[in-house]
Amino acid sequence: RKEVEQDPGPFNVPEGATVAFNCTYSNSASQSFFWYRQDCRKEPKLLMSVYSSGNEDGRFTAQLNRASQYISLLIRDSKLSDSATYLCVVLFNTNAGKSTFGDGTTLTVKP
Amino acid sequence: DTGVSQDPRHKITKRGQNVTFRCDPISEHNRLYWYRQTLGQGPEFLTYFQNEAQLEKSRLLSDRFSAERPKGSFSTLEIQRTEQGDSAMYLCASSLSENQPQHFGDGTRLSIL
Repeated sequence: RKEVEQDPGPFNVPEGATVAFNCTYSNSASQSFFWYRQDCRKEPKLLMSVYSSGNEDGRFTAQLNRASQYISLLIRDSKLSDSATYLCVVLFNTNAGKSTFGDGTTLTVKP
Repeated sequence: DTGVSQDPRHKITKRGQNVTFRCDPISEHNRLYWYRQTLGQGPEFLTYFQNEAQLEKSRLLSDRFSAERPKGSFSTLEIQRTEQGDSAMYLCASSLSENQPQHFGDGTRLSIL
């Protein structure tokens, strides 16, 4: 079992739809969590950090559920430009510094 | 541009050759990371530095791979005696400190003929 798992998708949604992705992690000692966006053949770019209380940035909402060991990303009112791969990142132990990436969930928003 | 920069952007070489990549992190970031990414996979951790100290190396990093960050600023990743399986995108990232998000460079795409 991978340390960080994501549903690869693809998720194909119409413009304006609401879509949600989950990411599960295996290490309960995980410390920090992030969502990154990666466009085809480009580098990953930070979308948002995930805080324990949940956080929102415009149309994007991130949630953390430590008890069930998953994080989620909700995108409201999807735009064509949201089409990308969304990577979940977990920092297991801040002293070790290692970040583990999921393999990503691919989203395609269609007109 | 004050982001993470990597050089070269693309490298094509024959199997068995040595290659070296360079990464210049964001100037105030003391943590620097190397990852490898292949199609359909997320970035795989290779190694990271805090200042000039290499603090962790992945089991993925065989003896043919070596990374340095001699002055705590830029870093190099060398692959000796390249193999077909080394073909991938090599990504460098930096962060301000251990809990902070990482910022990535454009990557170096390596193709082994």
